[in-house]
Amino acid sequence: NAGVTQTPKFQVLKTGQSMTLQCAQDMNHNSMYWYRQDPGMGLRLIYYSASEGTTDKGEVPNGYNVSRLNKREFSLRLESAAPSQTSVYFCASRTETSSYNEQFFGPGTRLTVL
Amino acid sequence: AQSVTQLGSHVSVSEGALVLLRCNYSSSVPPYLFWYVQYPNQGLQLLLKYTSAATLVKGINGFEAEFKKSETSFHLTKPSAHMSDAAEYFCAVRGLGAQKLVFGQGTRLTINP
Repeated sequence: NAGVTQTPKFQVLKTGQSMTLQCAQDMNHNSMYWYRQDPGMGLRLIYYSASEGTTDKGEVPNGYNVSRLNKREFSLRLESAAPSQTSVYFCASRTETSSYNEQFFGPGTRLTVL
Repeated sequence: AQSVTQLGSHVSVSEGALVLLRCNYSSSVPPYLFWYVQYPNQGLQLLLKYTSAATLVKGINGFEAEFKKSETSFHLTKPSAHMSDAAEYFCAVRGLGAQKLVFGQGTRLTINP
């Protein structure tokens, strides 16, 4: 099992450019999540998907869109990147077989917007 | 809404000393509680989680945490620090019936030789 994989690992964008961050999981999990991590702020939820075909906003959704392509894949799109979106982005997944189940995290994508 | 407070953004201890990382949550109903560790340039890895089976939870790498309902706390401890414990530690909570995980701001642990 590869677990949760993310591509790319690093990306540098210019202000106004667009890009899509890819996430895939091979654990047959229903729920998937996108977070951003900034120094001193922990992880903040951008969007999540409780199941294939559904998405919901998290704490900081502005400037982002998501697509739950199928059960395995959940992508995050920046339509017009801004320097404030410079961050480390993590994807996570979880199964609801138990309320105590944890989220599993990918290795992250480091994004710099100039 | 759930919130999590980690006291101390940086904690420094000597190798072999006790590690204590503090976490308090805001909820009258015990939520689901987790501790994650993040090594440099890596993703988050689960250290341990509270499952209501016992108030003292043992995790990986010798870490444990005690759930204290009266204090709304879930502090992380390790009796003897090792150099390899240097990392950032996050406490996280999920409310009953909630999908979302709420993270504390993190505590960076430094181990001095």
